[in-house]
Amino acid sequence: SSELTQDPDVSVALGQTVRITCQGDSLRNYYASWYQQKSGQAPSLVLYGNNHRPSGIPDRFSGSRSGNTASLTITGARAEDEADYYCNSRDSSGYHVMFGGGTKVTVL
Amino acid sequence: QVQLVQSGAEVKKPGASVKVSCRAFGYTFNSFYLHWVRQAPGQGLEWMGRVNPVDGSATYAQKFQGRVTMTRDTSTSTVYMELSGLRSEDTAMFFCARDEGMAYFDFWGQGALVTVSS
Repeated sequence: SSELTQDPDVSVALGQTVRITCQGDSLRNYYASWYQQKSGQAPSLVLYGNNHRPSGIPDRFSGSRSGNTASLTITGARAEDEADYYCNSRDSSGYHVMFGGGTKVTVL
Repeated sequence: QVQLVQSGAEVKKPGASVKVSCRAFGYTFNSFYLHWVRQAPGQGLEWMGRVNPVDGSATYAQKFQGRVTMTRDTSTSTVYMELSGLRSEDTAMFFCARDEGMAYFDFWGQGALVTVSS
């Protein structure tokens, strides 16, 4: 299918680890990337190519892919990690791009 | 440094068109695709399409085909997104974003809010 599915809400205790998943058939063939969006701001890239961090992204953010599921893991969550997180990839045709529905991460 | 600077907020009536600009600074304009992403209030990100700055060719999401036109002006390193036949559900923030060709977006514009209201 040409969809990326994310859990809408996830919570994590301060300092603990949380994993956000993104599921879609196209992920078997195309890389996932991940974006963080804080309230009132533009999204910003946190991972690309399934598991690569852009310059300036802390190493507590990591990524992986298994089959049709890509994951973003935050190890040692901090208060400033509270945000919406979106995955994206190409669709099954390879010509278009799509986003997952987003996951709201709450740090307790 | 790399910046994508978008035009300001717009208020339009239903049925009208809107044209949003995105000017690129700090990199070679022809080296990156520029995409447009819509975000309705309280909703997720929605890909609208992209423009190839080299030849001006555009690819659109099926949902917007026939209603959106994306163009570029290489003399000013600017891309434009025009959406026609506006309706209230088009009220959204519109972002431009840069892509090297791998379908990930490493820099984003600040967004342009378009409000459609009678």
